[in-house]
Amino acid sequence: QVQLVESGGGVVQPGGSLRLSCAASGFIFSRDGMHWVRQAPGKGLEWVALISYDGSNKYFGDSVKGRFTISRDNSKNTLYMQMNSLRAEDTAIYYCAKGNNSPAYWGQGTLVTVSS
Amino acid sequence: QSVLTQPPSASGTPGQRVTMSCSGSSSNIGINTVNWYQHLPGTAPKLLIYINNQRPSGVPDRFSGSKSGTSASLAISGLQSEDEAEYYCGAWDDSLNAYVFGTGTKVTVL
Repeated sequence: QVQLVESGGGVVQPGGSLRLSCAASGFIFSRDGMHWVRQAPGKGLEWVALISYDGSNKYFGDSVKGRFTISRDNSKNTLYMQMNSLRAEDTAIYYCAKGNNSPAYWGQGTLVTVSS
Repeated sequence: QSVLTQPPSASGTPGQRVTMSCSGSSSNIGINTVNWYQHLPGTAPKLLIYINNQRPSGVPDRFSGSKSGTSASLAISGLQSEDEAEYYCGAWDDSLNAYVFGTGTKVTVL
């Protein structure tokens, strides 16, 4: 069955960097677009980024443009998100999800806390 | 900030029918399909409805979706205690070139 397992979360100081990973299994990873979605404490879902099945197209939410990058390694069935210049408002649970246009199947999430 | 607007809450007693709306614009719901998600705290969000009114396998037919113009709605019939959760609509926005979620509706089973 489809499995998405996020890792790489933790506590980081404002201005710092973090790289999240999402290990995929149970489906043909190279055929699906992949998303990152986050939920800040007490807030709703916020879409963060999308990468196409082959990595050729990438889209970002306004709040992370220029600071976050998304990439994938289809040979390792793994999705990544490099987060730079982190701010307190980036504190959230980060979920990866598969889906070509919209998030369809989600992982359990990894917590990122930006705090001094 | 979300570009899709949902009522913050909805409630009903077991067995009742509950509906919730999702209001968007011509750049999202007006020209793209709508999805609905169920989210319980501490768990992975779950896709309930895709392409406006389609249910993934395993989703009970108590859940139904519809779309008209720049709005969409989700209905839960035969409300059950396990339906108590937060519900989000979502759609691609062609102007933002981004996926957008609704503000979320918390459903309470009385």
